[in-house]
Amino acid sequence: QSALTQPASVSGSPGQSITISCTGTSSDVGGYNYVSWYQQHAGKAPKLMIHEVSNRPSGVSNRFSGSKSGNTASLTISGLQAEDEADYYCSSYTSSSTWVFGGGTKLTVL
Amino acid sequence: EVQLLESGGGLVQPGGSLRLSCAASEFTFSIYAMNWVRQAPGKGLEWVSAISGSGGTTYYADSVKGRFTISRDNSKNTLYLQMNSLRAEDTAVYYCAKLNWNLRSFHYWGQGTLVTVSS
Repeated sequence: QSALTQPASVSGSPGQSITISCTGTSSDVGGYNYVSWYQQHAGKAPKLMIHEVSNRPSGVSNRFSGSKSGNTASLTISGLQAEDEADYYCSSYTSSSTWVFGGGTKLTVL
Repeated sequence: EVQLLESGGGLVQPGGSLRLSCAASEFTFSIYAMNWVRQAPGKGLEWVSAISGSGGTTYYADSVKGRFTISRDNSKNTLYLQMNSLRAEDTAVYYCAKLNWNLRSFHYWGQGTLVTVSS
């Protein structure tokens, strides 16, 4: 159950777009369309932003989008806003009927 | 609005035990799988355990298998995590999370309870 691989940090200016990658294996990210993305502000509980690779729950801004190619999933945030500054985690269901998270990516809005 | 309220965290010595609870409300608790996810101080999220709506099926991360037991009391709308043989590396904020099984994603989270394992 190795953690999925995410960049430790990304940054962007307001209005710009950024992409966070999430790399796993054929036993998790590559094997299922069950990749989710969570946003966590400092001291708060995580919040679901994307499920099933590219679907947004009700209430989540359409500035957030997801995709997947092979064993790598991606989260793109367009039109960056100051409130987007947070930690982002990917997660995938696995062939062992468990879940695995990425190490997390700290997004800084410059 | 779904509500999940964890309790039971605290300071415990290495080798000790602790039971966490998660009180659920504003949804039909018995038909949803529930999970525990933890976060060590300054670290990322780690999935810990899952239990089916009926309680008949459970899953565990390798790091806690044989030491932790997940359970639920659907008559009390409460999820539990019994933690035995605790280690320093189990120190973390423990979140309970409601799982949407069809989507395999955690749609609602509690605010977490801190467990500190230290002598």
